[in-house]
Amino acid sequence: GESVGLHLPTLSVQEGDNSIINCAYSNSASDYFIWYKQESGKGPQFIIDIRSNMDKRQGQRVTVLLNKTVKHLSLQIAATQPGDSAVYFCAENTDFGNEKLTFGTGTRLTIIP
Amino acid sequence: DTEVTQTPKHLVMGMTNKKSLKCEQHMGHRAMYWYKQKAKKPPELMFVYSYEKLSINESVPSRFSPECPNSSLLNLHLHALQPEDSALYLCASSRLARSYNEQFFGPGTRLTVL
Repeated sequence: GESVGLHLPTLSVQEGDNSIINCAYSNSASDYFIWYKQESGKGPQFIIDIRSNMDKRQGQRVTVLLNKTVKHLSLQIAATQPGDSAVYFCAENTDFGNEKLTFGTGTRLTIIP
Repeated sequence: DTEVTQTPKHLVMGMTNKKSLKCEQHMGHRAMYWYKQKAKKPPELMFVYSYEKLSINESVPSRFSPECPNSSLLNLHLHALQPEDSALYLCASSRLARSYNEQFFGPGTRLTVL
């Protein structure tokens, strides 16, 4: 399944399938990006990050892709599990040195058993 | 210790009350943050402390007063709040390094203003 972030804030995916969550960022000068996962009643949890000098970074079951040309960020989750159900936020650093992160609106991912 | 702790978990206060939110981290991080999060919205930055000095205030009303007593502790003093201030208040910390400086979040304090 695939979301387009701002225009489709919810995404439902069958357990075991791959998920793609998209994010359009606003500032072409942003040089650092983070994906966070937030479960109900909890604080955001760091998933993976990427600097603007890279276009891909992989973690455990997750991959972040960065396309600076179109200011687009995506999070791919492989073989989704029920525990992946959460709201996912992308965040961009728009003021490097002061560590100010600006968050996107978020996408709710629901895993269907 | 790799976590940010926040107390209390829940807080209910009246508009004339004075209360404080507390945040603690023991990861040696030199930047600490307060965010406000309304339901179904992303976190909004309120304050940033870098090396125990206030470096960013996002035009937050003076009824919110941050304090950083030392590099491990961050407080948010609340006074004369309004019902619209009800939200989840999140604390975060980061290393202030020039590369991969991810912010780690606490579980938040759920604040209700009556």
